[in-house]
Amino acid sequence: DAGITQSPRHKVTETGTPVTLRCHQTENHRYMYWYRQDPGHGLRLIHYSYGVKDTDKGEVSDGYSVSRSKTEDFLLTLESATSSQTSVYFCAIAGGSDNEQFFGPGTRLTVL
Amino acid sequence: GESVGLHLPTLSVQEGDNSIINCAYSNSASDYFIWYKQESGKGPQFIIDIRSNMDKRQGQRVTVLLNKTVKHLSLQIAATQPGDSAVYFCAENSGNNRLAFGKGNQVVVIP
Repeated sequence: DAGITQSPRHKVTETGTPVTLRCHQTENHRYMYWYRQDPGHGLRLIHYSYGVKDTDKGEVSDGYSVSRSKTEDFLLTLESATSSQTSVYFCAIAGGSDNEQFFGPGTRLTVL
Repeated sequence: GESVGLHLPTLSVQEGDNSIINCAYSNSASDYFIWYKQESGKGPQFIIDIRSNMDKRQGQRVTVLLNKTVKHLSLQIAATQPGDSAVYFCAENSGNNRLAFGKGNQVVVIP
């Protein structure tokens, strides 16, 4: 998985609780991305980062926040989880904005 | 594992035959395209890419064709093997440092 790890790999939580997912890379790539993948929707971009402390919204950013305090880590936070956020979350990295993205193994999140 | 193949178009192919997977993209300004393979329970895996100044690119057992006139991309897999069973989807560089992904096609290889 191109030096990308995600933690946790599986999580079950309750509505209203905060959740943080972590993406860690060892490739020193500048760009990092968070996607969610749902049946019938494919991969949808939540947030991305183009450098330390530089982030921007994707197409489905509502209810999510991110932080990137160092190159290797990109955190995705659900401040108050809802059932609609039950999904599989993938992190990806890229060396440049028009380079291929390499994906992590995914995190399956279930919000009850 | 993570189920990503629900309700996707499915291509069933006999082992040893060639497979062709098609993708229509939306943005005529896109200049970079990628094909990914996703096996059950895993993250998407890069297969091959092509830039808009080319119309064909070959890899090991795979060929990507780009037709910019009709905004169409295809992935050809030669001598399909059981390990090729997966969901395949295309992605286009839509600018703004991001890729736009298609919804995917399920390939089922029949032994």
